[in-house]
Amino acid sequence: QVQLQESGPGLVRPSETLSLTCTVSGDSMNNYYWNWIRQSPGKGLELIGRIYDSGSTKYNPSLEGRVTMSVDASKNELSLNLSSVTAADTAVYYCARGNGISHWGQGTLVTVSS
Amino acid sequence: DIQMTQSPSSLSASVGDRVTITCRASQGISNYLAWFQQKPGKAPKSLIYLASILQIGVPSKFSGSGSGTDFTLTISSLQPEDFATYYCQQYNSFPITFGQGTRLDI
Repeated sequence: QVQLQESGPGLVRPSETLSLTCTVSGDSMNNYYWNWIRQSPGKGLELIGRIYDSGSTKYNPSLEGRVTMSVDASKNELSLNLSSVTAADTAVYYCARGNGISHWGQGTLVTVSS
Repeated sequence: DIQMTQSPSSLSASVGDRVTITCRASQGISNYLAWFQQKPGKAPKSLIYLASILQIGVPSKFSGSGSGTDFTLTISSLQPEDFATYYCQQYNSFPITFGQGTRLDI
């Protein structure tokens, strides 16, 4: 049974960089798209970007320039960096597998505040 | 981006009822549509992919249909655990996008 688990700071200061890790267990990361998605009351569910197991990435144009994603298949981990955060980046952040998403992490709340 | 519009936004039903939720895409997406269930404070749970195929372990009381721009999720014989918010998601083109959700209340 595939399981995804997000981890990282729950509080980030404005203008700083949000960094999260997703650890995948129960299956290989190969041959799948891996997504970072966030959910906030104001904007619903929003794709941040996706990464393939090869490391190729596509980012949501709305966040382009602030997002960096990477994958370490040997560690079964993917990571997210979102720079220059503001209060608008406060959300629950999920990692999720697949283009038609089949599995979700439990999510982690990140609050941007000084 | 492809806009996904769900209707209704909220829906009240009773245990034992059958309900249908609609999802409309702003342009054709073939059958690249998924449905999710989300309960308060929890992550979404994947129910259906390719518009009508149940994810492993999802009971057959859930069914999906549609192609192109119009899709439906039907839940039969509602039980207390089915009261949640439901979302659709298109994955025909990047970026994947989600509907705004349909809240199903008792």
